[in-house]
Amino acid sequence: SQQGEEDPQALSIQEGENATMNCSYKTSINNLQWYRQNSGRGLVHLILIRSNEREKHSGRLRVTLDTSKKSSSLLITASRAADTASYFCATDPTSGTYKYIFGTGTRLKVLA
Amino acid sequence: EAGVAQSPRYKIIEKRQSVAFWCNPISGHATLYWYQQILGQGPKLLIQFQNNGVVDDSQLPKDRFSAERLKGVDSTLKIQPAKLEDSAVYLCASSPTGWEQYFGPGTRLTVT
Repeated sequence: SQQGEEDPQALSIQEGENATMNCSYKTSINNLQWYRQNSGRGLVHLILIRSNEREKHSGRLRVTLDTSKKSSSLLITASRAADTASYFCATDPTSGTYKYIFGTGTRLKVLA
Repeated sequence: EAGVAQSPRYKIIEKRQSVAFWCNPISGHATLYWYQQILGQGPKLLIQFQNNGVVDDSQLPKDRFSAERLKGVDSTLKIQPAKLEDSAVYLCASSPTGWEQYFGPGTRLTVT
């Protein structure tokens, strides 16, 4: 079963705009990660946020985590056409096992 | 640093045939994962190895799927016999610590 549910399922924006996608999960987690998958390629790790962290930045990426609401958001600022991809959240629901459960993904399309 | 290698990249077989996928993780990575990703969905964990031992295979359909990791390095995933619903991309990932996963390009399997 899917632990995480991303929304929206699909998002289309203009280059230069910001993109926000959300992930909700069901059980307590040890950490949450975001991955990007370009069409026809493997997944690339973007950022990891631990359960005791609330916000994290990496370049144009900003991730927030609200454990009380069991949700996370990924913000991509000043989007580029190269950001066009599917974005997945992955949660580690059991501490110490590193068994990650991926969400359903958000398909982002950035129009030039 | 060389990435995770997988082969073949594409495979087309008929139902009831058998197929095997190979994965060579990044050198020194103790943890290895096999995921199944059906079109439009997030990756689903099939099996997780720590060195050459199985950590989790709870979602592996053991009546038809098998996997092994020889000497804690390379791994093979086999399907026998294949069903139509096995059509998917099979992703291999490795991790040095269990936190961040490095994914291979995947093998796209089509069962006709």
